[in-house]
Order: sequence, then structure tokens, then C-alpha cells
Amino acid sequence: NAGVTQTPKFQVLKTGQSMTLQCAQDMNHEYMSWYRQDPGMGLRLIHYSVGAGITDQGEVPNGYNVSRSTTEDFPLRLLSAAPSQTSVYFCASSYYGRATNTEAFFGQGTRLTVV
Amino acid sequence: KQEVTQIPAALSVPEGENLVLNCSFTDSAIYNLQWFRQDPGKGLTSLLLIQSSQREQTSGRLNASLDKSSGRSTLYIAASQPGDSATYLCAARMDSNYQLIWGAGTKLIIKP
Repeated sequence: NAGVTQTPKFQVLKTGQSMTLQCAQDMNHEYMSWYRQDPGMGLRLIHYSVGAGITDQGEVPNGYNVSRSTTEDFPLRLLSAAPSQTSVYFCASSYYGRATNTEAFFGQGTRLTVV
Repeated sequence: KQEVTQIPAALSVPEGENLVLNCSFTDSAIYNLQWFRQDPGKGLTSLLLIQSSQREQTSGRLNASLDKSSGRSTLYIAASQPGDSATYLCAARMDSNYQLIWGAGTKLIIKP
């Protein structure tokens, strides 16, 4: 099993450009989420989804869009990149609800720099 | 609002020592608590998951405990090795909405 796969691993954007960070999981997990990790700020939730067609905002959603058309994929779109979005982005997945095991699995991260 | 705190923020110990990392949370209504390891520039690797009904979990040299009534979890590392050097994060999954609430992590350095 590949687990959670994120692409790309590194990306440099110019201010105002848009891009999509890809996330795919092969564990049939209902719950998927996107975090950003910044020095001194810890992990902050951007958006999450509890199943195909269902998404919701997390703690820091502004400037980001998500959609969930399949169980496997949960892309994160940056609409108009800003230097404040320079960060490391992580995608995570887990089972949802009163499942026996809601262990969260993470991708390897995307290091994004906006210049 | 749930808050998760990890103290200390950094810890440096000689190789071979047993050590304890602490994680405290303010709201006892958690579904489970998970410990992760993060190496520099890498993703998060799950170490141990403790359900709210459990008291502890063990994996190799690692033992995690959970005391909901006192709002504490500890990660015990036995016979530490330089390869254990990393940042350790704990996250509490809330009973209400299943979201993970994160601690800021403890950066652990094991000196050879």
C-alpha cells in the first residue's frame, strides 16, 4: 500500500499564481484533511472532508479551496498565491466516526515557497 | 476550547537513558490520542494510538499512557538511541467532531 501520497514535494510560485496540491490515499479512508505547518505555529487545519462530496473549513481556510469527488483524492487549490502561504503542507487521512481505529496517516508534505 | 500542551519544548539526553515526554489536554472529552514522530524536513509518522477507553499502548521501546481524568498522556522511551532524535507530537482527537488538536511538539536530541 502506498498510504497517503502528496505531489509535488517542492514548489515555488510567484505571487498571484494559482496551483493545486494533490493528495491521494489508498486505504479507503473517509476522513481527509489538509494542514499547514509553520515554525512556532504548529499544525493548523485548513480544510477537511468526511466523505466524497462533503467538505468543511478548518482553522485557516482563507485563500484555499478543496473538493472531494472521490474517496481517494482530496486536492487543495491555492487561488491566488501570497507570500503568507509559504509553508509546508500536509495531507492526512483516517477512518471516521465510531470506527475502531481512527489512526491518522500523513503524506510526506509539500514545501511551498511563494515569492 | 481544547488545548494541547507539550512540555518541555526541547530535551537533550545522553544515549541509553530512559525518558518521558509529556502531553496535557484541557478537555477530557477525547476519542483517542495519538503520538507522532517527525524528522527534520519529513512527514509525520504515527507511533502509537490510545483509545479513550485504554490506559496504555506499547510498541517496542515505546510506551504511551493516557489518563483522561487528569488530562495527561506520556510517551516513555526506553534505552534511548541517537536514532530517536526527532520532534515528537501528540494530537487529541475530539469526541465531538473527530478533529485532531495538536501540541506544539517536543524536540528530542539523544547525544551519542
